Amino acid sequence: QQPVQSPQAVILREGEDAVINCSSSKALYSVHWYRQKHGEAPVFLMILLKGGEQKGHDKISASFNEKKQQSSLYLTASQLSYSGTYFCGTYGSGNTGKLIFGQGTTLQVKP
Amino acid sequence: DAGVIQSPRHEVTEMGQEVTLRCKPISGHDYLFWYRQTMMRGLELLIYFNNNVPIDDSGMPEDRFSAKMPNASFSTLKIQPSEPRDSAVYFCASSTRQGATEAFFGQGTRLTVV
Repeated sequence: QQPVQSPQAVILREGEDAVINCSSSKALYSVHWYRQKHGEAPVFLMILLKGGEQKGHDKISASFNEKKQQSSLYLTASQLSYSGTYFCGTYGSGNTGKLIFGQGTTLQVKP
Repeated sequence: DAGVIQSPRHEVTEMGQEVTLRCKPISGHDYLFWYRQTMMRGLELLIYFNNNVPIDDSGMPEDRFSAKMPNASFSTLKIQPSEPRDSAVYFCASSTRQGATEAFFGQGTRLTVV
């Protein structure tokens, strides 16, 4: 039921790109992406609703493939401030109201 | 709005004691979630409410855990009796439209049971 994220950890140099994947075994209504810095609360990045849309702001974007029940988060030209743990959260279709998170992907950006 | 407010921010208690965590959601939000975060298990959904009614408590680990939402502006998560394995960060979050809007997280309560 919990979405599966990959990879578990990524180490990058500033300016490099990264992709974080999120996969669910259940049909999805929406996918949420959050970033959490150490000792802080998760902070919202974006929502993708079913329909296969792609969203983005600044150099972070995401896609949602409803048929495959997968979402990917794309970080381009990474900055030091991108370091943290990224979580995907999923709402199942069928309007259950449950927002369930994956295990998280730790991203470290080095100078 | 001040956002989701949780109290206390830190709690240290002895094994066997009762612990009560508190949450004030954002005004107008009709969904409230309680999560527990540990290194081993990540962010686990414990229970969620819609319009003050508990909808799904399947994530509550044991009968020692209970949650209430007596009104739209207040919720509690109680652990009685507490055990060392309950040590974790507990987050409360609230949202509006189910699934289509972001969930706003409180700053969390770091619980240590010794």
